[in-house]
Amino acid sequence: NAGVTQTPKFRILKIGQSMTLQCAQDMNHNYMYWYRQDPGMGLKLIYYSVGAGITDKGEVPNGYNVSRSTTEDFPLRLELAAPSQTSVYFCASSLERDSNQPQHFGDGTRLSIL
Amino acid sequence: GENVEQHPSTLSVQEGDSAVIKCTYSDSASNYFPWYKQELGKRPQLIIDIRSNVGEKKDQRIAVTLNKTAKHFSLHITETQPEDSAVYFCAARVGGGSYIPTFGRGTSLIVHP
Repeated sequence: NAGVTQTPKFRILKIGQSMTLQCAQDMNHNYMYWYRQDPGMGLKLIYYSVGAGITDKGEVPNGYNVSRSTTEDFPLRLELAAPSQTSVYFCASSLERDSNQPQHFGDGTRLSIL
Repeated sequence: GENVEQHPSTLSVQEGDSAVIKCTYSDSASNYFPWYKQELGKRPQLIIDIRSNVGEKKDQRIAVTLNKTAKHFSLHITETQPEDSAVYFCAARVGGGSYIPTFGRGTSLIVHP
């Protein structure tokens, strides 16, 4: 049981480049989330999805896009990388039948934009 | 929306002491309160959670208490050990809504040997 798998683990981008952060879960969870965590700071919600085909903005969505074509995958797209997007990105998932379910986090992607 | 305040931001204790981290929430409809531990360079991991129909829950050296009237909940760690050193996040989730949790800003716990 792999849980939540994120790739890549590390990446360096140049300003203006684009990339996709991959996230996959094998727990058949309906909810998936993307967070960013700046050094010494808390978790900020970028986007979330309550099921395949449904996505919604979180607290800091600008500069990012997501899609949810399957239950398992929830990729995060950066179109025009900016230095302000240097951060650690965590994907998470949860099984929501009611409100009492914890989130399971991936190991994170450490992204630097120079 | 829900607002979660977490205190203190940093907590330094001696090995063997107890540590208490407190969170307050604003939405009385919140009914699920997880706590996550994040070691340096690692992912957040659930360590304990509590539902609104319970006032206290214990798991070995860790306990969580919930006061629904005052809208606050606390994490208690007894007999702290150096491996307890980490950042701890509380969260609150409103029932019947979108189930998206609101996180506190985190507490950096340092346990000195």
